Amino acid sequence: DAGVIQSPRHEVTEMGQEVTLRCKPISGHDYLFWYRQTMMRGLELLIYFNNNVPIDDSGMPEDRFSAKMPNASFSTLKIQPSEPRDSAVYFCASSDGTAFGSDTQYFGPGTRLTVL
Amino acid sequence: GQQVMQIPQYQHVQEGEDFTTYCNSSTTLSNIQWYKQRPGGHPVFLIQLVKSGEVKKQKRLTFQFGEAKKNSSLHITATQTTDVGTYFCAGVPEKTSYDKVIFGPGTSLSVIP
Repeated sequence: DAGVIQSPRHEVTEMGQEVTLRCKPISGHDYLFWYRQTMMRGLELLIYFNNNVPIDDSGMPEDRFSAKMPNASFSTLKIQPSEPRDSAVYFCASSDGTAFGSDTQYFGPGTRLTVL
Repeated sequence: GQQVMQIPQYQHVQEGEDFTTYCNSSTTLSNIQWYKQRPGGHPVFLIQLVKSGEVKKQKRLTFQFGEAKKNSSLHITATQTTDVGTYFCAGVPEKTSYDKVIFGPGTSLSVIP
């Protein structure tokens, strides 16, 4: 299995531009999570999906952030317009939550976003 | 709200010394997981503990889940440079959707050769 795939691995953009981060979860996993990691705030859960449906988006910082999961094998996190304070590493993770004790999350390699 | 805390935030040890990080939750947990993130890498699952008082070992790593299921610890015996990284605990609060995992802030371990 290729694991969780994220693209791009690095993104440098200018303030005000739209940024789209992509994620392909592990095949068969029912849950998909988007995290943001910074030195100041650590690892923050932004949103998670179950069977392609957004369950909890309380971690999404503001309306500039949106996430979609059009099918079981693809999700996007969009920032529009981007701001310098959005600079961080964004991780996507997936898990097979079909049985108790199977909540292990498998993280992708992350996208390092720099907004100038 | 539900919180998971970890201490210490940073730890510097001489190679060969032992290391322990502690994880504390404001609420009872149904299970707790530990992850390791190497510098520049992504969090990688290490282990999951489910039972009260459970102790699990992985070579030099010993994981413990408290009797009250509100705290946990990770102990590394005789640290090596390969142990460098940030160790996160992640708890699933009881009586909530079990897929809502709350990550602690992590303990960053440096090992001086």
